[in-house]
Amino acid sequence: EVQLVESGGGFVQPGGSLRLSCAVSEFTFTDYWMAWVRQAPGKGLEWVANINQGGIEQHYVGSVEGRFTISRDNAKNLLYLQMNSLRVEDTAVYYCARGSVVWDSWGQGTLVTVSS
Amino acid sequence: QAVLTQPPSASGTPGQTVIISCFGSSSNIGSNTVNWYQQFPGRAPKLLIYADHLRASGVPDRFSGSKSATSASLAITGLQSEDEAAYYCAAWDDNLKGLFGGGTKLTVL
Repeated sequence: EVQLVESGGGFVQPGGSLRLSCAVSEFTFTDYWMAWVRQAPGKGLEWVANINQGGIEQHYVGSVEGRFTISRDNAKNLLYLQMNSLRVEDTAVYYCARGSVVWDSWGQGTLVTVSS
Repeated sequence: QAVLTQPPSASGTPGQTVIISCFGSSSNIGSNTVNWYQQFPGRAPKLLIYADHLRASGVPDRFSGSKSATSASLAITGLQSEDEAAYYCAAWDDNLKGLFGGGTKLTVL
């Protein structure tokens, strides 16, 4: 069974940084684009970023461009989201998902809380 | 505010058919395929429909998707109590951004 497990969430003050990780298993990681999707408390889903199989091509939602970086370690089957200059409005559950346009498998999510 | 527009709520009684709409534009739904996701409270989203009308693995045929021009629809026939969830449409944009609708909370009366 395909598995995606996020970690790295937590509490951080505005302006701080966090790095999220997503460990994947039971599928060939290098065959797939990967993505991060977030959901603020009580709100809808928002696509954050995605990355191609080789890690060369990345795309971001406008509100995180220049602050967040998506990357991957194909040798370790890990997806990352480096989040810098965090804002209160970045508070959300962050999900990693498999795919570029169709996200067919999701992790359970990790909560990021940005607050002073 | 989401670029793709969905009604915030929908409802139906068991056995009824409910249709959830999703409105976009020529740069997203009009030129790219639409996917639908189901999400229960506190749970990760689950893929229901992809490429406008194809059901994901294990999804009952009570769920169907369609698209016309810049709008898409998710139909649920033979509504069941376990269908009570939030439903999100999603599409890619020509500017290489992923887009979600605001979500529709379905209540089974």
